[in-house]
Amino acid sequence: SQKIEQNSEALNIQEGKTATLTCNYTNYSPAYLQWYRQDPGRGPVFLLLIRENEKEKRKERLKVTFDTTLKQSLFHITASQPADSATYLCALDERAGANNLFFGTGTRLTVIP
Amino acid sequence: SAVISQKPSRDICQRGTSLTIQCQVDSQVTMMFWYRQQPGQSLTLIATANQGSEATYESGFVIDKFPISRPNLTFSTLTVSNMSPEDSSIYLCSGELGTTDTQYFGPGTRLTVL
Repeated sequence: SQKIEQNSEALNIQEGKTATLTCNYTNYSPAYLQWYRQDPGRGPVFLLLIRENEKEKRKERLKVTFDTTLKQSLFHITASQPADSATYLCALDERAGANNLFFGTGTRLTVIP
Repeated sequence: SAVISQKPSRDICQRGTSLTIQCQVDSQVTMMFWYRQQPGQSLTLIATANQGSEATYESGFVIDKFPISRPNLTFSTLTVSNMSPEDSSIYLCSGELGTTDTQYFGPGTRLTVL
């Protein structure tokens, strides 16, 4: 069966450290993978997109890697801040241009001051 | 980017009734989608709202239960019909601009069915 798993339901880290979140998928062939942030009571907010032919993508303190052999994406937040505390969702799409996103279960990140 | 609003933001409804949720986008989007997010869970796609034609539903969701309209490029509605407590959830709409491959989400509608 198809699965998208984010291996930690919750992750607590100290302010200033790097947070690393994992997204593993089974029985998908994604054209690209996205990461979203969701705050309580709000809709998800797009952060980064990485395509199947890209290994790494960066945006400010965020970095995403994509390994189609391991069927895994890693999402890093460097120099983490309490304001980074939120739930982070990975989502993948198998068909470029037909945006049916399948979401992972999410990881709730708490950055401790 | 696109800003998406939803109405109502929340509602409490009686079993057997129906609720229509509105989704308004501040710019023309090529694609609009409706998702459900049950408590503590991730998002599940209900359907793609197609302008001027019937929505495309995902497995497990049917038009009789979740009729969807999309009369133009900036507006869509989702109706949750003949509600039961199992329909209690957050319903989110999203839109995709052009061919950006990213989606902008509304704030969600929190539905409680008694």
